[in-house]
This record gives sequence, C-alpha cells and structure tokens, in this order.
Amino acid sequence: QVHLAESGGGVVQPGRSLRLSCTASGFTFSRVAMHWVRQVPGKGLDWVAVISYDGRNTHYADSVRGRFTISRDNSKSTLYMQMSSLRAEDSALYYCATEHYDSNGYGSGMDVWGQGTTVTVSS
Amino acid sequence: SYELTQPPSVSVSPGQTARITCSGDALPKQYAYWYQQKPGQAPVLVIFKDTERPSGIPERISGSTSGTTVTLTISGVQAEDEADYYCHSSDITTPYWVFGGGTKLTVV
Repeated sequence: QVHLAESGGGVVQPGRSLRLSCTASGFTFSRVAMHWVRQVPGKGLDWVAVISYDGRNTHYADSVRGRFTISRDNSKSTLYMQMSSLRAEDSALYYCATEHYDSNGYGSGMDVWGQGTTVTVSS
Repeated sequence: SYELTQPPSVSVSPGQTARITCSGDALPKQYAYWYQQKPGQAPVLVIFKDTERPSGIPERISGSTSGTTVTLTISGVQAEDEADYYCHSSDITTPYWVFGGGTKLTVV
C-alpha cells in the first residue's frame, strides 16, 4: 500500500543543522512532486517547500528560504530536507506529502501524507 | 505574502449543513484544495481543484467557488465530521503555496 515514513527529527540547539528524510513505498516515487509541511502542536498547517518529480524545480516559504534545502533521490524513493541555522520557531511536526500534476500543470492536491517527525529547537 | 482567510470555528447540529469559507485574492485564478485533520492524525485531502472529490470521500462533502471565495460544504453533518479543516492554494505571480488558518468544525 501507499506509504510515507518521515525520520530524522530530534532535539537540536539553535543555529545547528538537521536533515529530515521521507521514505516512500507502494507507488512510483519518481512521478510525483513532494512537499514538506509543518505544524506546531495545536496550531495550523504551514507549507514549507516543494520539489518537482525530477528534482529540477524547488520552491520555499519565505520563512525558510536560504536556510532549508529540499532534495530527492528517486533511485532510493526518498525525499530530504536539509535544515540549517535552525531557530526556535522551526520547532514543529514535519510532514512529507505527495502531489500528482496533470499534463496541464495543475496539481491534484496533497493526497498522501506521512505521520510526521518532530523537530525541537532548544538550547 | 499571500494569505487565505478562514473563520476560526463553525458549529452545527447533527444532520445540518456546515459551510466553511476560504477567501483569497488569487482564488479566481488558482485552484483551492481542502484538507480534514482530526486530532493526532495527519491531514486528509477531501476536495481538490475547487470541486473535485478524491475517491473514498463521501458525496455529502463538496466544494464550490465564487469569485475570491471558495466554500467547503458538508451536508448531513455527522459526529465523525468534527475536525479541523484547512484550505490550500497558491499565489498567482510567485510559486508560493499557503494554507488558510484552519476552521474547527464542532458538531453540537
């Protein structure tokens, strides 16, 4: 069955780095765009970044641009998020999610989500 | 930066119709998507491209659009529909995705 599993979260000091991973199974990973979305407990969803199916195009929220880097390895069906210069406000549950795009370039929404991995930035 | 505006809460009685709105300047030109999130669970896509329903989503959940506002409608609300609902869309001129602040649907 279709499945996404995030890993790599943990407790890290402000200013340090962390790399999240999202491993996919049950579908053709190389055919879908991938998003990272985060959520502070008790708060709303916050879109972080997206990468195209082939990794050529990436886009970031203003709050993380220049500090976070999204990437993927289609041979390993794995999505990554390299996070650097971490701040307390980056503390959240980080989800990865898939999105299919049609031939006209329209997305079908984030239709598969993982269960998330928690990042805590604290001294 | 681009923003989508939702009411913080909506309350309905079982069997009634719940309507949750989402407003944004780019919505006449960009598709909207809706997600349902129950406590302790990951979000679930319930509407895509303004009005389309993924397989497995009941027909009583529907989406509509009018100008700068999109609406999620849940007919015959059931206790199981109690959840947070988020709209999602993107800006026109820049590839910038955003979620609305979320609406807590309470079935009273």
